[in-house]
Amino acid sequence: QVTLRESGPALVKPTQTLTLTCTFSGFSLSTSGMCVSWIRQPPGKALEWLARIDWDDDKYYSTSLKTRLTISKDTSKNQVVLRMTNMDPVDTATYYCARTLSGSGINIDYWGQGTLVTVSS
Amino acid sequence: DIQMTQSPSSLSASVGDRVTITCRASQSISNYLNWYQQKPGKAPKLLIYTASSLQSGVPSRFSGSGSGTDFTLTISSLQSEDFATYYCQQSYSTSLTFGQGTRLEIK
Repeated sequence: QVTLRESGPALVKPTQTLTLTCTFSGFSLSTSGMCVSWIRQPPGKALEWLARIDWDDDKYYSTSLKTRLTISKDTSKNQVVLRMTNMDPVDTATYYCARTLSGSGINIDYWGQGTLVTVSS
Repeated sequence: DIQMTQSPSSLSASVGDRVTITCRASQSISNYLNWYQQKPGKAPKLLIYTASSLQSGVPSRFSGSGSGTDFTLTISSLQSEDFATYYCQQSYSTSLTFGQGTRLEIK
């Protein structure tokens, strides 16, 4: 059974750095083709893909946010960490981590429940 | 980035109706197109991958088609549980992008 759970602060101040942790089970990030993505969704708005880390430690970032994002993994702990610098109120959103399969395309097949992050002073 | 445009943005339909949602890419993406369903307060659920492959456990009333720049998601006979928001997503580029969503409402 594949599960993912996001954890991190519910509230951050503008200019601070957000650190989110995704803890997963039911698959291994050392298995070929396995990846983890982060996606966010502002209240009432569409999904926005942020970043992805692959089993071989390749990393991919949103073009518009890549200067602010860092993704990393700890395979032994089954965790993926996303850091986003210089947070702004427009970054208020529900942040999801999701298992992502790389093979015939890139498919996001299991999602965490999401964690709401509010950016406010 | 590859832009994904869905139409319509919202749609009203009745149980039993056949519904089609369209997604257009700003450049050719071959068949690297996925469809997701999202219900309020819930995470999205993968329905269709690589344009026309049905994800395991998804009812067969859902189908996808298309290649290149134009894609469709069809629900052959709407059920009450299908009222939700639907998103397309391309994976041709390593920078994944989603459409803006289509909200399917009860008429």
